[in-house]
Amino acid sequence: DGGITQSPKYLFRKEGQNVTLSCEQNLNHDAMYWYRQDPGQGLRLIYYSQIVNDFQKGDIAEGYSVSREKKESFPLTVTSAQKNPTAFYLCASSTRDRGNYGYTFGSGTRLTVV
Amino acid sequence: KQEVTQIPAALSVPEGENLVLNCSFTDSAIYNLQWFRQDPGKGLTSLLLIQSSQREQTSGRLNASLDKSSGRSTLYIAASQPGDSATYLCAVSETSGSRLTFGEGTQLTVNP
Repeated sequence: DGGITQSPKYLFRKEGQNVTLSCEQNLNHDAMYWYRQDPGQGLRLIYYSQIVNDFQKGDIAEGYSVSREKKESFPLTVTSAQKNPTAFYLCASSTRDRGNYGYTFGSGTRLTVV
Repeated sequence: KQEVTQIPAALSVPEGENLVLNCSFTDSAIYNLQWFRQDPGKGLTSLLLIQSSQREQTSGRLNASLDKSSGRSTLYIAASQPGDSATYLCAVSETSGSRLTFGEGTQLTVNP
């Protein structure tokens, strides 16, 4: 079955440490996204990529970095510059073709600073 | 900048009741609107997608309507069940494959 796989499900980060969240999709979707969700809030866009080797900043990109070397993969690195990284991170993908396609989300990674 | 608002923020109803969740958006130039469900600590599950040219979509006990000109969508849940308890999120996109703008969600509790 096609879908999006995020790993790990839970991640603990020490102060000053960089960590990378994995996101892989086998839907053949062109576009991929990273969102952050804080308790009681909606989703905020961190980065998105509409094509391989290209990505754009979202609303809250500071302290984060991404790469898109393969169509299937869009890893997110939370750097030490992100001062409040504890949150729930969701990866999504969508197609760029016109048609009745929506967005598919992964099951999320919960990051906690210890 | 597109803004999406969902009302109410929380809703508690007895089992069997029909209910309506509301979503409004400030820029009517949308490509599609999508309703999602999120269970605690989980990812988002797509419920219904309405293209901008459509007026409504139905799936089982769920019906979503779209009035693009007034910037509104409603999600109607018929004969609610305790298993419907979750947070419901509305999101709009401005072009195919573009970023989604989310509302903050409506937290629904259906009491047995």
